[in-house]
Amino acid sequence: ETGVTQTPRHLVMGMTNKKSLKCEQHLGHNAMYWYKQSAKKPLELMFVYNFKEQTENNSVPSRFSPECPNSSHLFLHLHTLQPEDSALYLCASSQEVRSNEQFFGPGTRLTVL
Amino acid sequence: GQNIDQPTEMTATEGAIVQINCTYQTSGFNGLFWYQQHAGEAPTFLSYNVLDGLEEKGRFSSFLSRSKGYSYLLLKELQMKDSASYLCAVRNAGNNRKLIWGLGTSLAVNP
Repeated sequence: ETGVTQTPRHLVMGMTNKKSLKCEQHLGHNAMYWYKQSAKKPLELMFVYNFKEQTENNSVPSRFSPECPNSSHLFLHLHTLQPEDSALYLCASSQEVRSNEQFFGPGTRLTVL
Repeated sequence: GQNIDQPTEMTATEGAIVQINCTYQTSGFNGLFWYQQHAGEAPTFLSYNVLDGLEEKGRFSSFLSRSKGYSYLLLKELQMKDSASYLCAVRNAGNNRKLIWGLGTSLAVNP
């Protein structure tokens, strides 16, 4: 395994479901990020973790709940989502928060019905 | 407010040169990034500029003018595989250091 992996790649869920997105990085990085990418909108940073500690939450609704058990794994727990939450959710990592280059995973394409 | 502007779409011919522009207005500046994203794939890092001037890396070059709030990505000897979206992002200064992203420029390379 190399780089940043995300599972599942595609997810369809109802508004009352609870699901989780998983991200794993095999690069020995200390910082991890969740981004949302919607059509015709720029990439939106959701959460930042540095050495397992959340350092940034960009006013994300509480129906998105991140978890970072260690520097290699990042989860995004989803519950009672809305159709407008349908998007591509990208995970990224970098050596540290101040690093120039972020490495992205392939994303999870989420559809909320 | 903070804003990144880049053209929505561009078309070019295989073997040609194309320049993708990016203008920005942000609260503070600590570097400008270009990423490439093929359809259905992850964005991948192309370049980073923090000082004025041209940075060359193979077929790709990136230019920055901080006084003008302007950058461009230059792609030479275009290949079909260069068809992708090119994202411009600016990093804020200070403790925030958040990346502000543009919408991306979708480049189509035709034979």
